[in-house]
Amino acid sequence: EDKVVQSPLSLVVHEGDTVTLNCSYEVTNFRSLLWYKQEKKAPTFLFMLTSSGIEKKSGRLSSILDKKELFSILNITATQTGDSAVYLCAVNYPGSSNTGKLIFGQGTTLQVKP
Amino acid sequence: NAGVTQTPKFQVLKTGQSMTLQCAQDMNHEYMSWYRQDPGMGLRLIHYSVGAGITDQGEVPNGYNVSRSTTEDFPLRLLSAAPSQTSVYFCASSPSRQGPRSNYGYTFGSGTRLTVV
Repeated sequence: EDKVVQSPLSLVVHEGDTVTLNCSYEVTNFRSLLWYKQEKKAPTFLFMLTSSGIEKKSGRLSSILDKKELFSILNITATQTGDSAVYLCAVNYPGSSNTGKLIFGQGTTLQVKP
Repeated sequence: NAGVTQTPKFQVLKTGQSMTLQCAQDMNHEYMSWYRQDPGMGLRLIHYSVGAGITDQGEVPNGYNVSRSTTEDFPLRLLSAAPSQTSVYFCASSPSRQGPRSNYGYTFGSGTRLTVV
């Protein structure tokens, strides 16, 4: 069964801390892995990863993929209260008709305290 | 540029009622999909479409119908609402029939919060 598992499910840190969020997956014909940030409403796109070992970076956020061990991590350095959100990991795979599908993990709820 | 527009934002239904959740995108995206989000379960794919006239089932299609008569619109129909369909529903689109591409991901609508009593 195809699945995506995120850990931890929730996390509370203080401003300035560094956090690492984990995402492991088991899917057939992996195509890419995506990270989203969800605050009150719609998820917003952070990163797409397709190749192992190549770090994607945007400001204080970075992510890397390990296709051998089937996982990805999302790092946030010097956290701020505005980083409080649910972080979603999703894997894109072709499915039976070679059309893209996204399977999501449960999400990690991050709370950053002042 | 409106992106993906979902209506309504909130809805309360009685068990057995039917309704249609609307989704429209103005980006000429080929791929559109519907997800439901429940606490602790992430987003689950209900139905998706890779172009006008083509739809397919996702993980949790039972109780829902879709159609794609135009590129822009992808409505989700609940035929006979049940309390188990209480959820937040998101519509998403992508420029590729193969799903998200680099630097695009999916564009999500702002969601419809549905309560079935």
